[in-house]
Amino acid sequence: NAGVTQTPKFQVLKTGQSMTLQCAQDMNHEYMSWYRQDPGMGLRLIHYSVGAGITDQGEVPNGYNVSRSTTEDFPLRLLSAAPSQTSVYFCASSKGLGQGDTEAFFGQGTRLTVV
Amino acid sequence: TQLLEQSPQFLSIQEGENLTVYCNSSSVFSSLQWYRQEPGEGPVLLVTVVTGGEVKKLKRLTFQFGDARKDSSLHITAAQPGDTGLYLCAGAQGTDKLIFGTGTRLQVFP
Repeated sequence: NAGVTQTPKFQVLKTGQSMTLQCAQDMNHEYMSWYRQDPGMGLRLIHYSVGAGITDQGEVPNGYNVSRSTTEDFPLRLLSAAPSQTSVYFCASSKGLGQGDTEAFFGQGTRLTVV
Repeated sequence: TQLLEQSPQFLSIQEGENLTVYCNSSSVFSSLQWYRQEPGEGPVLLVTVVTGGEVKKLKRLTFQFGDARKDSSLHITAAQPGDTGLYLCAGAQGTDKLIFGTGTRLQVFP
């Protein structure tokens, strides 16, 4: 069972470069989201999607773009990388956030360093 | 400032001790979850509580959702080294946002 797959696992970028973090899930989940986790801290919501074609901003959306053209994929794009974006990025999916559907399944994370 | 504040931020205890982790907010949540995360991995769900005042037990772990659905607690009885990890609470806002707390890092020494 693949679950949620994130690529790459590690990435080093130079300031100003752009890149896309990939996320795919095979559980037919409607809800997908991206979080960043800084050292020793909890997760902060960047963007989320409640279904194909629908995305919205979370707590810390600046500097990031998302799109959701299919149910399975939810890529996160860094437009112009900055050192403040050095973090571990997690993608998550769930059936939804209604009662009984809320369990979020996470990928293994992408560790991004911007120099 | 994160919406969900956890305390304490760090906890270092001996095997066999009891502990409580708190998750507080000024916002109301439709449900509250607790996750545990180990190094290099994504968080894994422990429990979901939905009703104000609800108490759920998972072996040595007891979870409580506040009556007003703004806060929660996690109590571990007789902690073991295998309980070591980062504990995260997460609140569902309506049906579209899952917001995580600031995290509590627990270390249990043999």
